[in-house]
Amino acid sequence: NAGVTQTPKFQVLKTGQSMTLQCAQDMNHEYMSWYRQDPGMGLRLIHYSVGAGITDQGEVPNGYNVSRSTTEDFPLRLLSAAPSQTSVYFCASSYGNEQYFGPGTRLTVT
Amino acid sequence: DAKTTQPPSMDCAEGRAANLPCNHSTISGNEYVYWYRQIHSQGPQYIIHGLKNNETNEMASLIITEDRKSSTLILPHATLRDTAVYYCIVRKRDTGRRALTFGSGTRLQVQP
Repeated sequence: NAGVTQTPKFQVLKTGQSMTLQCAQDMNHEYMSWYRQDPGMGLRLIHYSVGAGITDQGEVPNGYNVSRSTTEDFPLRLLSAAPSQTSVYFCASSYGNEQYFGPGTRLTVT
Repeated sequence: DAKTTQPPSMDCAEGRAANLPCNHSTISGNEYVYWYRQIHSQGPQYIIHGLKNNETNEMASLIITEDRKSSTLILPHATLRDTAVYYCIVRKRDTGRRALTFGSGTRLQVQP
């Protein structure tokens, strides 16, 4: 199993641009989520999904959209990038108690 | 989820046991204690969890006090690769699979 994969690993955007961060898992987990981690800070939940077709907001959802059309994929869309969205983004999936995290996408917005 | 308190940083000598404390005095009866760690620039990694009994796996041991108000994660023989931020998280074990709430954790530095 590849586990949780994320692409791209690094991205630089200009203010106002949009983009999609990809996340995929091959463990058939129903639960998936997106977190952001700012320098020196803990992780904060952006959006999550408890199954295909079901998504909900986390702690910091503004400026981000998600969809869940399949069990495997959970993309995160930045609608109009802002410097405040410069962060490392982690995707996670889980079944039961353990959450499995991807390697992260390091995003810089200039 | 109950609030947790951890020391901001700790040092440990390589090969020695690392004992990381966590205080969770407001824990309720159906809340579990979970430990994760985050090695620099990587995604968090699940370590272990428990309810009230001590637990052990290939990575670590978890000791929970009888009143469940505190716990200790033990890495029996710390290596340089165990240098990371360790997070103690208290949450219910529910089928809703709510997200984890990460605090600021304990930064463990294993010294050679």
